Amino acid sequence: QKEVEQDPGPLSVPEGAIVSLNCTYSNSAFQYFMWYRQYSRKGPELLMYTYSSGNKEDGRFTAQVDKSSKYISLFIRDSQPSDSATYLCAMSAMDTGRRALTFGSGTRLQVQP
Amino acid sequence: DAGITQSPRYKITETGRQVTLMCHQTWSHSYMFWYRQDLGHGLRLIYYSAAADITDKGEVPDGYVVSRSKTENFPLTLESATRSQTSVYFCASFTGGSQNIQYFGAGTRLSVL
Repeated sequence: QKEVEQDPGPLSVPEGAIVSLNCTYSNSAFQYFMWYRQYSRKGPELLMYTYSSGNKEDGRFTAQVDKSSKYISLFIRDSQPSDSATYLCAMSAMDTGRRALTFGSGTRLQVQP
Repeated sequence: DAGITQSPRYKITETGRQVTLMCHQTWSHSYMFWYRQDLGHGLRLIYYSAAADITDKGEVPDGYVVSRSKTENFPLTLESATRSQTSVYFCASFTGGSQNIQYFGAGTRLSVL
């Protein structure tokens, strides 16, 4: 079983819809939670960063972390065709070692105009 | 240009050949990483480096070699390429601070025939 599970989609929504993307994880040591957006044939770019539990909002994007349920979410309001991309959740524990990220497999989102 | 650059962007090679993928960053970040991205697996860590001359294995290191003689460069070598190493390779870096926010290059798409 993977440490981080993410529905691969694809998820297709009409322009203006609210999008909900989710990941579940099994490692209770994870404390840093990130969402990366990856356009086709590009590298991942950081979209949202959250430390521990709670919500964080940035424009049309809201990230939520529920550590008790080991569940994180990304909400996109008023979705736009330019939001069409693959969204990767990533997380890491506070350790003094390799500081690597553990990624979900990514959810492909298509926003239809 | 500031940032993290990978070269080449595309590479086709044959089984048994040695291939080196280059990664260069201009931020003087202490940590650098190599990931591979395959369908259904997300990004998996191959090797990482905490500083010049300090490297260590990640999740899938077999068949790969790294070096880091200078802070800004972190080449990845496939000593004898195999078809299973056909993948998209991403280099990433971060400062080493507590937030663990990693910045990615644009990737190298490698095909081993």
